[in-house]
Amino acid sequence: GQSLEQPSEVTAVEGAIVQINCTYQTSGFYGLSWYQQHDGGAPTFLSYNALDGLEETGRFSSFLSRSDSYGYLLLQELQMKDSASYFCAGPYGGATNKLIFGTGTLLAVQP
Amino acid sequence: ETGVTQSPTHLIKTRGQQVTLRCSSQSGHNTVSWYQQALGQGPQFIFQYYREEENGRGNFPPRFSGLQFPNYSSELNVNALELDDSALYLCASSLPPGELFFGEGSRLTVL
Repeated sequence: GQSLEQPSEVTAVEGAIVQINCTYQTSGFYGLSWYQQHDGGAPTFLSYNALDGLEETGRFSSFLSRSDSYGYLLLQELQMKDSASYFCAGPYGGATNKLIFGTGTLLAVQP
Repeated sequence: ETGVTQSPTHLIKTRGQQVTLRCSSQSGHNTVSWYQQALGQGPQFIFQYYREEENGRGNFPPRFSGLQFPNYSSELNVNALELDDSALYLCASSLPPGELFFGEGSRLTVL
């Protein structure tokens, strides 16, 4: 089977840096995506790592190590609006637009 | 460019009833996927439609069925509703391969 595991909750303060980890067990793995979801609303795409290494998009960076079956999302200069659930996701059946989502991490940013 | 829209936003049904949820995909996107998200969990892939044909299905029983229309909009039908079907149902459109664009979802409560 395929599964992606994340910590359930993370708490950090405004201005800090936080890392959200994702470990996965899949067959035929083709990359890792990250999505943000506020209060049960629409998940929004943050990043996609097809290859090993670091991808940077503004305050957010994402890392993938396929040999370790591990990735993380790094959020810098945290803002209150970053309080949300974050999901890693892997391709279902090798298709990058069919996803298996991780268990999700609820990030609480405190003043 | 119009985003993904879903209707209805909230609905309440009783066990054994049937429900139809609707989704209009983002302009130009020919692929629509449906996900079920139970409270506190990550979205789970139900199925995907590409050019009006089912293009992959997750681990959901046949009472979950769908349609895609020539304008790429889509319906999700669930028959014989069970209490465990209570969830947020998310529709996502994409231009393969690529990121998913989610709607705000339809929140179904089964009593």
